[in-house]
Amino acid sequence: DTAVSQTPKYLVTQMGNDKSIKCEQNLGHDTMYWYKQDSKKFLKIMFSYNNKELIINETVPNRFSPKSPDKAHLNLHINSLELGDSAVYFCASSSRQGVADTQYFGPGTRLTVL
Amino acid sequence: AQTVTQSQPEMSVQEAETVTLSCTYDTSESNYYLFWYKQPPSRQMILVIRQEAYKQQNATENRFSVNFQKAAKSFSLKISDSQLGDTAMYFCASAVRSNDYKLSFGAGTTVTVRA
Repeated sequence: DTAVSQTPKYLVTQMGNDKSIKCEQNLGHDTMYWYKQDSKKFLKIMFSYNNKELIINETVPNRFSPKSPDKAHLNLHINSLELGDSAVYFCASSSRQGVADTQYFGPGTRLTVL
Repeated sequence: AQTVTQSQPEMSVQEAETVTLSCTYDTSESNYYLFWYKQPPSRQMILVIRQEAYKQQNATENRFSVNFQKAAKSFSLKISDSQLGDTAMYFCASAVRSNDYKLSFGAGTTVTVRA
């Protein structure tokens, strides 16, 4: 059974479009995250949610808006896509917020903006 | 601020041999955690090993072990009896309490195991 799943795995789109990436975890975790891995493989956290509540919001453009309908789902919506948004986006989850529980990652979504 | 430094962009090792990946970190806190994650060509991020800073004993997970030198702020990963499936990018990461335990990653080291 997949612990953390993301859809789609690949996303190719034109500049200016709006797109969403979905994430679901079946681990019963309270906390979920979005990370961005750039072309140099550098990983950086974007957002963290705990029980549907936004906890961490790094310096990410307003065009990125996470949404958590319930604690098992954390979706990422991106408006007005730009070339620089091309990256691999990872969703992750951990048991609890505020402690260093192990984070489990999804398979990643490779976003290509043309 | 947390910084994690991996000074070896790439390493190559013969199958069945041992390779050691270096990682240094910078934090002024006493309560923190360190991790090694593996990212094979499949792109999946997989936890390899985890170390709590308050534990003096080095963490071990099968063929993977760490050398945690707290005073030197060093956290190296040793892969023993390397296997072809160990070919991957390896990321060192830290998490500190004051930063709400957000993971801060190093730049990664690409390990290639040769047959």
